[in-house]
Amino acid sequence: AQTVTQSQPEMSVQEAETVTLSCTYDTSESDYYLFWYKQPPSRQMILVIRQEAYKQQNATENRFSVNFQKAAKSFSLKISDSQLGDAAMYFCAYRPRPTTGTASKLTFGTGTRLQVTL
Amino acid sequence: DTAVSQTPKYLVTQMGNDKSIKCEQNLGHDTMYWYKQDSKKFLKIMFSYNNKELIINETVPNRFSPKSPDKAHLNLHINSLELGDSAVYFCASSQGVQKISYNSPLHFGNGTRLTVT
Repeated sequence: AQTVTQSQPEMSVQEAETVTLSCTYDTSESDYYLFWYKQPPSRQMILVIRQEAYKQQNATENRFSVNFQKAAKSFSLKISDSQLGDAAMYFCAYRPRPTTGTASKLTFGTGTRLQVTL
Repeated sequence: DTAVSQTPKYLVTQMGNDKSIKCEQNLGHDTMYWYKQDSKKFLKIMFSYNNKELIINETVPNRFSPKSPDKAHLNLHINSLELGDSAVYFCASSQGVQKISYNSPLHFGNGTRLTVT
């Protein structure tokens, strides 16, 4: 079974600083997608960034970037120049390429709560 | 211009009652999902439909019955509600040319907080 592990239940960062949230996953698949979602107190689930497993180049979206280490099955999220609005729960998620005739599930980690302080 | 909308936003009900949560998406997606988020914030998939066909059916009590009248709607009906059903239920959608759309990100609704007393 595929599992996604986020070992940091809570993290804290000062405004304008950089923080890295860790994520590891367990799979025997070679083709899959990885995602980071953000859930602010409003409860809305917002896609932050995604990475294709067969692309070696790390994905970047403005202040958000990932460090994808396929061999280590690691997918960390780096937030640069942290802002107060970045305070939220962050979920790492994994979705494999399905085999013919089946559907694949998006599996979430347990989340990391990020606090941003002044 | 809401993309994925769920109603109601909050639902408080007593044990034993039957309730429904509605979900609609206007993104033109062909796949829709129900996820449950428990009190520890853990998100777990319950069901997925592609073009009105059930394609993922996780191990959930058969008191939960999804219904998809068309590909833009996926409703969740819960019979004989129990205390353990209290959670936030998220509807989501994604696009895939075929049944399988693993590379398409999910777009989530704002969730329905269900409280069973």
